Amino acid sequence: DIQMTQSPASLSASLGETVTIQCRASEDIYSGLAWYQQKPGKSPQLLIYGASSLQDGVPSRFSGSGSGTQYSLKISSMQTEDEGVYFCQQGLKYPLTFGSGTKLEIK
Amino acid sequence: EVQLVETGGGLVQPGKSLKLTCATSGFTFSNAWMHWVRQSPEKQLEWVAQIKAKSNNFATYYAESVKGRFTISRDDSKSSVYLQMNSLKEEDTAIYYCTCDILWAYYFDYWGQGVMVTVSS
Repeated sequence: DIQMTQSPASLSASLGETVTIQCRASEDIYSGLAWYQQKPGKSPQLLIYGASSLQDGVPSRFSGSGSGTQYSLKISSMQTEDEGVYFCQQGLKYPLTFGSGTKLEIK
Repeated sequence: EVQLVETGGGLVQPGKSLKLTCATSGFTFSNAWMHWVRQSPEKQLEWVAQIKAKSNNFATYYAESVKGRFTISRDDSKSSVYLQMNSLKEEDTAIYYCTCDILWAYYFDYWGQGVMVTVSS
């Protein structure tokens, strides 16, 4: 199975700050990566797919990049509504696997 | 508006069965691939099963942890997908989400609100 490792496990950021979350795959996943946001008590929502494509309706302050085994999600200006847990997921091979999540809070 | 609504969860004893239903609207269900994803009490997400579209011969795929015990199926006339869960174990306790993969890209484009399944004696 492809293992997905996220870092950090948690972080806090000030309003307006740029935030970066990392995701590393145990093998090359050829940009087959998605990012999800989960707010407390809600289901996850797709933010980014194909490593860098923004899902419809997602604010442009979110962006994704990376290749091979290393990927990142960037929030260019932290907003209150961005608090939550962020998960990466590989879509290259079965079983489809997720990272363990990064909890983002407002400082 | 895309909607996915799961029903059928609850408390069940180990070794028993349960069937989850996901009713959908707002997209062309017959063309979509459908998945079930679960989230453990520790908040870890785990993909459970997938069923592809008719044009893909309704091919199904399962996580090793549920293979042989769970069965995913769909009814395109009702825009619904199902998860039959047999021989349930305590480690199957989780929130179960129905998700759709409209782009056929092995991502989860939209999620339902989830349904809780608790396996306990």
